[in-house]
Amino acid sequence: DIQLTQSPSFLSASVGDRVTITCRASQGISSYLAWYQQKPGKAPKLLIYAASTLQSGVPSRFSGSGSGTEFTLTISSLQPEDFATYYCQQVNSSPRTFGPGTKVDIK
Amino acid sequence: QVQLVQSGAEVKKPGASVKVSCKASGYTFTNYGISWVRQAPGQGLEWMGWISAYNGNTDYAQKLQGRVTMTTDTSTSTAYMELRSLRSDDTAVYYCARDPRIAAAGFDYWGQGTLVTVSS
Repeated sequence: DIQLTQSPSFLSASVGDRVTITCRASQGISSYLAWYQQKPGKAPKLLIYAASTLQSGVPSRFSGSGSGTEFTLTISSLQPEDFATYYCQQVNSSPRTFGPGTKVDIK
Repeated sequence: QVQLVQSGAEVKKPGASVKVSCKASGYTFTNYGISWVRQAPGQGLEWMGWISAYNGNTDYAQKLQGRVTMTTDTSTSTAYMELRSLRSDDTAVYYCARDPRIAAAGFDYWGQGTLVTVSS
């Protein structure tokens, strides 16, 4: 199985900050990576797929990059509604594993 | 608009079974698959498996093999996930999600979640 790690696991930031979250895969997955945002008590929401393609309706302050084994999610200017937990997921092979999550909290 | 609407919360005793439904609307059901994902209290996301709504092919997480069955009813555009021999560590919110299983697509629509509590 492909394992995903995320760093940091917890991030404290202020509104307007630029935030970067890293996801690393245990083996190469090309660009077969998605990013999700989850708020407490809610279902995850797809932000980015194919490592860098923004899902329809997602604000352009979110961007993704990377391929192979290292990927990043960047929020260019953190907004109040962005405080949430972010998960990466590999869709290269089964099982479709998720990373452990990165919680973005208010500083 | 695409919607996935799941059945309500369940409380089960250890050893029992639970069957969660996920009714799809707003798209052609058989053009996509459905993945099931669960989340234990305070924990991360765990992929459980996938079913093709086109032909019923399934792909289950190895740790759940033998305890989980995923099915679809194309006449009602509904997917089902049954989990048997429930244990306390099966207590979680269970989500269905639309999963095209093409290229590098992610899970683009999710149900609202169904809380399953396993307790004696």
